[in-house]
Amino acid sequence: GQQLNQSPQSMFIQEGEDVSMNCTSSSIFNTWLWYKQDPGEGPVLLIALYKAGELTSNGRLTAQFGITRKDSFLNISASIPSDVGIYFCAGQRAGSSNTGKLIFGQGTTLQVKP
Amino acid sequence: DGGITQSPKYLFRKEGQNVTLSCEQNLNHDAMYWYRQDPGQGLRLIYYSQIVNDFQKGDIAEGYSVSREKKESFPLTVTSAQKNPTAFYLCASSIKGGTGANVLTFGAGSRLTVL
Repeated sequence: GQQLNQSPQSMFIQEGEDVSMNCTSSSIFNTWLWYKQDPGEGPVLLIALYKAGELTSNGRLTAQFGITRKDSFLNISASIPSDVGIYFCAGQRAGSSNTGKLIFGQGTTLQVKP
Repeated sequence: DGGITQSPKYLFRKEGQNVTLSCEQNLNHDAMYWYRQDPGQGLRLIYYSQIVNDFQKGDIAEGYSVSREKKESFPLTVTSAQKNPTAFYLCASSIKGGTGANVLTFGAGSRLTVL
């Protein structure tokens, strides 16, 4: 079953504000991924992290692979209305590379007020 | 352009009927997956296939069936045994189904509603 805790569950912010969300697990992960899902569509990959401590940016988005390998966070700077959607973290547990299965967080729903 | 195509986008079903959701990819990916999404929940794995003619149950396989006769295709059948089939279904594929880091590419989803 699901083993990732993602928070917050939802956020309602003003345009221009920064956003931060995170995922934690009781297990060690060797891969962290962050996806965004627009309403009625499939998730799209934003950032992939493969090493503990890794910090990666994609435009206004920055994500980090936690040193303990049990957590990851995603920051969005200077939010704009098109940032609206559901953000999912996903991870691959250490030792599960032979199956390739990912575990997903519950998602963070972001709403941006213009 | 390469990608994953799911059809139909919307599907209505009467109780007791089986329905099949189509998933086709032209990315030459080895592995394919089916996820179910319910409001406020993450994605839950139904079935996955790492190679042709082979597939494994995920976390919520009961009431579902799949086949993988071709590398490009991984259809999902929602059977009448599935007690609560109304949901958004997502198909995904990845280039590495076996070892190493696994990045999924998703289709646009199919929304199934049971009347």
